[in-house]
Amino acid sequence: QVQLVQSGAEVKEPGASVKVSCSASGYTFTDYSIHWLRQAPGQGLEWMGWIFTSSGGTNYAQKFRGRVTMTLHTSISTAYMELTRLISDDTAVYYCARESSPGLNAAYWGQGTLVTVSA
Amino acid sequence: QSALTQPRSVSGSPGQSVTISCTGTSSDVGGYNYVSWYQQHPGKVPKLMVYDVSERPSGVPDRFSGSKSGNTASLTISGLQAEDDADYYCCSYTGSSYVFGAGTKVTVL
Repeated sequence: QVQLVQSGAEVKEPGASVKVSCSASGYTFTDYSIHWLRQAPGQGLEWMGWIFTSSGGTNYAQKFRGRVTMTLHTSISTAYMELTRLISDDTAVYYCARESSPGLNAAYWGQGTLVTVSA
Repeated sequence: QSALTQPRSVSGSPGQSVTISCTGTSSDVGGYNYVSWYQQHPGKVPKLMVYDVSERPSGVPDRFSGSKSGNTASLTISGLQAEDDADYYCCSYTGSSYVFGAGTKVTVL
């Protein structure tokens, strides 16, 4: 069965960076793109970007360009999302999600990783 | 890219139907048939309910249906059940990115 397992919760100080991992299993990793999204406490979903697992190509939301980097380690079927220069507004649950077809048709999600930015 | 516009809340009694609207522009909802809807219960991971405007993933009850007219997409829940009480988010492709609505709280009375 398809599974996406994310790394554990993180607490970071303002200005620091965080790197969240998303380990995939149950399918051929390079067949489907991975999206990254986040949800601040009590707020809605926000799309951050996606990475083409077949090529490593990326497309980031305008809001995060310059601060976010999405990468792969295909040999271990893992995707990573690194966010730099953290501020308190970056406190959120970060999700990876697997696209099944174009259009953010994301039936499979990771469990979420809580990132808390606090001094 | 501005967020899609959804009503903050809708409600209905068990067995009734409710419809959630999702209004965008010709650059997102109106321009592409890549509108999806997600259900989220408190503290849980979002669940895909509809994709490509009106397609249902395997396992999603046919009580959930999606449609689109112009720049507005809609999710209709027919025969409301207690477990449908949740937040619902619409999402649209914009040509280069994706944008979500702020979410609609569906309350089953």
